[in-house]
Amino acid sequence: AQSVAQPEDQVNVAEGNPLTVKCTYSVSGNPYLFWYVQYPNRGLQFLLKYITGDNLVKGSYGFEAEFNKSQTSFHLKKPSALVSDSALYFCAVRDPHGGATNKLIFGTGTLLAVQP
Amino acid sequence: DAMVIQNPRYQVTQFGKPVTLSCSQTLNHNVMYWYQQKSSQAPKLLFHYYDKDFNNEADTPDNFQSRRPNTSFCFLDIRSPGLGDAAMYLCATSRAEDTQYFGPGTRLTVL
Repeated sequence: AQSVAQPEDQVNVAEGNPLTVKCTYSVSGNPYLFWYVQYPNRGLQFLLKYITGDNLVKGSYGFEAEFNKSQTSFHLKKPSALVSDSALYFCAVRDPHGGATNKLIFGTGTLLAVQP
Repeated sequence: DAMVIQNPRYQVTQFGKPVTLSCSQTLNHNVMYWYQQKSSQAPKLLFHYYDKDFNNEADTPDNFQSRRPNTSFCFLDIRSPGLGDAAMYLCATSRAEDTQYFGPGTRLTVL
């Protein structure tokens, strides 16, 4: 079965320190991978995606993610966390059986808390 | 700016009273999705339209219906809201297999 796992419900990091939010996936074929961020009472905001090409993907607000095929991972990273990065982060993979759409399989989400 | 708009942002309805949530987009995307999201859980796909073709998820209750009168607009109708339908409802759009872009959501309260 196709799935996405975010093993950490919450990640705590001090402002200025590097952050990592973990994501692993299980999907048939080549994965299309996405990261979204959600602030309280808001919709999901697209951060970055991996379709093909360079394994290191750069996105919005200084975030980047590294695609690792052998470990089936797509961890989200940022070199220096800001308090304003505190939010709920979702990893997602395109459902390969979703037809000609971008139906997504979401992870359970990771709450990032950045302490000042 | 091109965007996905949802109205209203907050909706209060009574148990059993039909309610309609609205989504519009200026992105000219051909696919529109409706999700239900409860208390910081992952969004749950209810259905999507590919152009005019409606695609229901297998576990979406019959209480939830949708209409897409044109490319720009899509509506979510809840025929008889129950207390368990209180949630954030998210609309998203994509151009076929490309990235989904989400609206700000409508928070539904059922009294």
